[in-house]
Amino acid sequence: GIQVEQSPPDLILQEGANSTLRCNFSDSVNNLQWFHQNPWGQLINLFYIPSGTKQNGRLSATTVATERYSLLYISSSQTTDSGVYFCAVNYGQNFVFGPGTRLSVLP
Amino acid sequence: GAVVSQHPSRVICKSGTSVKIECRSLDFQATTMFWYRQFPKQSLMLMATSNEGSKATYEQGVEKDKFLINHASLTLSTLTVTSAHPEDSSFYICSTKKAGAGAQYFGPGTRLLVL
Repeated sequence: GIQVEQSPPDLILQEGANSTLRCNFSDSVNNLQWFHQNPWGQLINLFYIPSGTKQNGRLSATTVATERYSLLYISSSQTTDSGVYFCAVNYGQNFVFGPGTRLSVLP
Repeated sequence: GAVVSQHPSRVICKSGTSVKIECRSLDFQATTMFWYRQFPKQSLMLMATSNEGSKATYEQGVEKDKFLINHASLTLSTLTVTSAHPEDSSFYICSTKKAGAGAQYFGPGTRLLVL
């Protein structure tokens, strides 16, 4: 099956800093999504991005499908950005999650 | 986007009892819903795919007789954890996907604690 890796596994930032999270996948995929899981467990859709670049406020994402990776950029981080960020890919009939990046933004 | 609800949000039960979790697609009809399980500090793992009007498809290693899935209508899927044990304690999350569209939308999850 497909392997989905995320890096870094953990990240600690000072409020206001920028960061880049990476998602690598081992095979061609139908689509890719980025999620933020808040401390209560809710998965919040950030981007549906099978290819190309999208921006939403302080967040942006780029997927290079031919090179099998996606990047999530967080600018001017805030304490409310803390939580776990997951990428997930559609591979055939399956939707496979990466292991996540745990982000802590300190005031 | 899409709105997905789950009920209950948390449940505590005694070992040996059964627990039913509901997942509702509130703003579109979903022929397919998905059930995931997440243990602490881990990622989400797909348990089964719930198909309206037919049997669910279970992932390898998931006991279909223990985790009963019913998708009786286009807006409701239920997961019943039968004879729950402490090792079944976990965070259970459902999701839906619009036909033809790629994005999945997740419910708020149900936290199960089996004593």
